[in-house]
Amino acid sequence: QLQLQESGPGLVKPSETLSLTCTVSGGSISSSSYYWGWIRQPPGKGLEWIGSIYYSGSTYYNPSLKSRVTISVDTSKNQFSLKLSSVTAADTAVYYCARQIELVPDIWGQGTMVTVSS
Amino acid sequence: EIVLTQSPGTLSLSPGERATLSCRASQSVSSSYLAWYQQKPGQAPRLLIYGASSRATGIPDRFSGSGSGTDFTLTISRLEPEDFAVYYCQQYGSSPTFGQGTKVEIK
Repeated sequence: QLQLQESGPGLVKPSETLSLTCTVSGGSISSSSYYWGWIRQPPGKGLEWIGSIYYSGSTYYNPSLKSRVTISVDTSKNQFSLKLSSVTAADTAVYYCARQIELVPDIWGQGTMVTVSS
Repeated sequence: EIVLTQSPGTLSLSPGERATLSCRASQSVSSSYLAWYQQKPGQAPRLLIYGASSRATGIPDRFSGSGSGTDFTLTISRLEPEDFAVYYCQQYGSSPTFGQGTKVEIK
């Protein structure tokens, strides 16, 4: 059974870089059938797609975040990662990683809360 | 960017009733690339419907999706107690976007 688990700091200072990793277990991240992506949800608000990556390394980013986002994949560790630079309080959210079929997240991690505060 | 507007914001219904949720797009969603999710407090969203009308694995048949172009609907034929939650639509025909959500609450 495929599972995804987010990990990383729960507190990031303003202007610094948020870094999260998603570890995939119970299946291979190198499957040609899927994308792997990040979605976030500010407290009490809706969902926002951040970006996605294919195992080959091809990436697709939300245009509104593109200048600050980098998603990478490490197939040897069955992991993919998110870096979001120059964070502000507006980046405070629960961050989810997910497996995606045609950019539809069908299996989600449990989510990790990241707070941007000094 | 395709903006999705969901209505109503809140739907107050009783168990056993029918729920009809709307999702309207600011421009046509190509190839009916429209999905629906259910989210309960403290949990990750769960995929219900993709391709506007195809149920995801394990989703009960009381959930159905319909629509095309700019107007889409999620219908829950008979509400069960576990169906009270927030529902989101998502288009994935171009840069993915989500609607703001509809809360289905117990009347």
